[in-house]
Amino acid sequence: DTAVSQTPKYLVTQMGNDKSIKCEQNLGHDTMYWYKQDSKKFLKIMFSYNNKELIINETVPNRFSPKSPDKAHLNLHINSLELGDSAVYFCASSHTRGLGEQYFGPGTRLTVT
Amino acid sequence: ILNVEQSPQSLHVQEGDSTNFTCSFPSSNFYALHWYRWETAKSPEALFVMTLNGDEKKKGRISATLNTKEGYSYLYIKGSQPEDSATYLCAPDSNYQLIWGAGTKLIIKP
Repeated sequence: DTAVSQTPKYLVTQMGNDKSIKCEQNLGHDTMYWYKQDSKKFLKIMFSYNNKELIINETVPNRFSPKSPDKAHLNLHINSLELGDSAVYFCASSHTRGLGEQYFGPGTRLTVT
Repeated sequence: ILNVEQSPQSLHVQEGDSTNFTCSFPSSNFYALHWYRWETAKSPEALFVMTLNGDEKKKGRISATLNTKEGYSYLYIKGSQPEDSATYLCAPDSNYQLIWGAGTKLIIKP
């Protein structure tokens, strides 16, 4: 059974399009995260939700909007895609904020052409 | 915002040798220190979460120590194996947010 799943795994799209990446966790965790792996391979936090409420919203363009319909899901919607949005996006979850180790999804490789 | 430094950036180790690397972080506002292992084309996997000064954790051949007063943590790998090849990330937690280091890329030579 997959603990943290993301769909799609690969996404190729054109500039200007709107796309969504879905994330689901079946671990019963309270907190979910979206990370972007940048061009230097660093992990950068984008958003964090705790019990469906936004708790961290780093400086990301407002074209990125997270949606958490319930505790087990945190989707990422991106409007008006740009070339610079090409990256690998990771979803993660943890039981608690801080002390809980994070479980990562397989990543979604987004390519904007 | 914490500054996290990991050294060395990369490391080549002969199979069977033991090795260690460092994570440095400001000691103020410390809450916890996470270590993750990230294999190429996979996702990061948690190794340890440590909170107390002097904490020492072990998982198989991998162990870690924590010094919160001086702001550093060491990760040790004993008797390196090819499957240990990965990037090892540390991430101190301050105010419930993990600040990720750039990682130490470990390559085990057979």
